[in-house]
Amino acid sequence: EADIYQTPRYLVIGTGKKITLECSQTMGHDKMYWYQQDPGMELHLIHYSYGVNSTEKGDLSSESTVSRIRTEHFPLTLESARPSHTSQYLCASSDSGATDTQYFGPGTRLTVL
Amino acid sequence: DQQVKQNSPSLSVQEGRISILNCDYTNSMFDYFLWYKKYPAEGPTFLISISSIKDKNEDGRFTVFLNKSAKHLSLHIVPSQPGDSAVYFCAASAFDNAGNMLTFGGGTRLMVKP
Repeated sequence: EADIYQTPRYLVIGTGKKITLECSQTMGHDKMYWYQQDPGMELHLIHYSYGVNSTEKGDLSSESTVSRIRTEHFPLTLESARPSHTSQYLCASSDSGATDTQYFGPGTRLTVL
Repeated sequence: DQQVKQNSPSLSVQEGRISILNCDYTNSMFDYFLWYKKYPAEGPTFLISISSIKDKNEDGRFTVFLNKSAKHLSLHIVPSQPGDSAVYFCAASAFDNAGNMLTFGGGTRLMVKP
């Protein structure tokens, strides 16, 4: 089982602020992902990375950006938060094996006032 | 177009009985299927998976069945326990040039009553 961490767990912030959601994993997984989930809805992939210096946009359009400078670290940044960004953000990682089972962090619940 | 569907948004079961959660998919290229369990304000936890070359996989109280001709999979939990109360997501993947990306269903909320 992967060890994957997200901080902060909860964040309440005002409109227009810049925020960075942190995600780190200690399993040496090559692939990392960011999902957005609203209550009662499915998970939507917003960003993913195959490895260092690799980032791709997911299925759901997002105003956030990501970076992958180190294997274990995959932060997500919102330059100017808006109430429409209120959601739960889930980070995951997987090994480059045959199945790519993804392991998730605890999530960050973001509320933008 | 939702490629993975969980048509029951909720399910209520008595403790000790069997819980059956269902999932349907439309993409015949999917070759690997997973179930995740999610508590509120937490990330999904991987439960069990099955490859398309199998029709059943069992792990303790959890069994996943795959019917490829019907494009249907189900998760059986027996016996159900109150701690199983959570939202369950099925997910599917198909290997392509982007690797094995997961497509998730909308989730089923399971409530196990004591």
